[in-house]
Amino acid sequence: GAGVSQSPSNKVTEKGKDVELRCDPISGHTALYWYRQSLGQGLEFLIYFQGNSAPDKSGLPSDRFSAERTGGSVSTLTIQRTQQEDSAVYLCASSWEWRETQYFGPGTRLLVL
Amino acid sequence: SQQGEEDPQALSIQEGENATMNCSYKTSINNLQWYRQNSGRGLVHLILIRSNEREKHSGRLRVTLDTSKKSSSLLITASRAADTASYFCATDTGNQFYFGTGTSLTVIP
Repeated sequence: GAGVSQSPSNKVTEKGKDVELRCDPISGHTALYWYRQSLGQGLEFLIYFQGNSAPDKSGLPSDRFSAERTGGSVSTLTIQRTQQEDSAVYLCASSWEWRETQYFGPGTRLLVL
Repeated sequence: SQQGEEDPQALSIQEGENATMNCSYKTSINNLQWYRQNSGRGLVHLILIRSNEREKHSGRLRVTLDTSKKSSSLLITASRAADTASYFCATDTGNQFYFGTGTSLTVIP
């Protein structure tokens, strides 16, 4: 079956614009995770969904970041009024259940000019 | 400081040698996972060890977990050039998931 897919693969935007990143998890996976990885750094946990619900949003870097998941499947991560420090690779992962093996997508490389 | 930290930060070995990297964490965990990230490629899950397990094997990989010391180790035996990558441990705490900063392994052919 298909793995986790993310779109777009690359996004270049101007400072102040809004961007929306999409994640399609593996079919049947109930948990979905968003991470951010800056150049040469480890992964920064942003948020996870169990079904359509996100129990803890405190990992989101600021109130400019929001995420939603609908139908227990596709998730979108929205960054409003992008800043240059938002430039990073945004990774999505899914697992059949929270805390179990995560399968990662290829990421969206975001560059804010 | 981070929930999960790998040690060493970088490791360089000759092909055929064994590589050992360690991970320390701070809070109680449900399980601990190891992932690999090749340069320019995605993260791949290697092995998951649960808090009630002490050792686990998968091919050339051996993972140990010591919950009393809050530490884990990943041993790669008979290393190959293709093992060159960054290795991360990952733990959960409550409703968040933490990856360490990684160990960069270089296997010299």
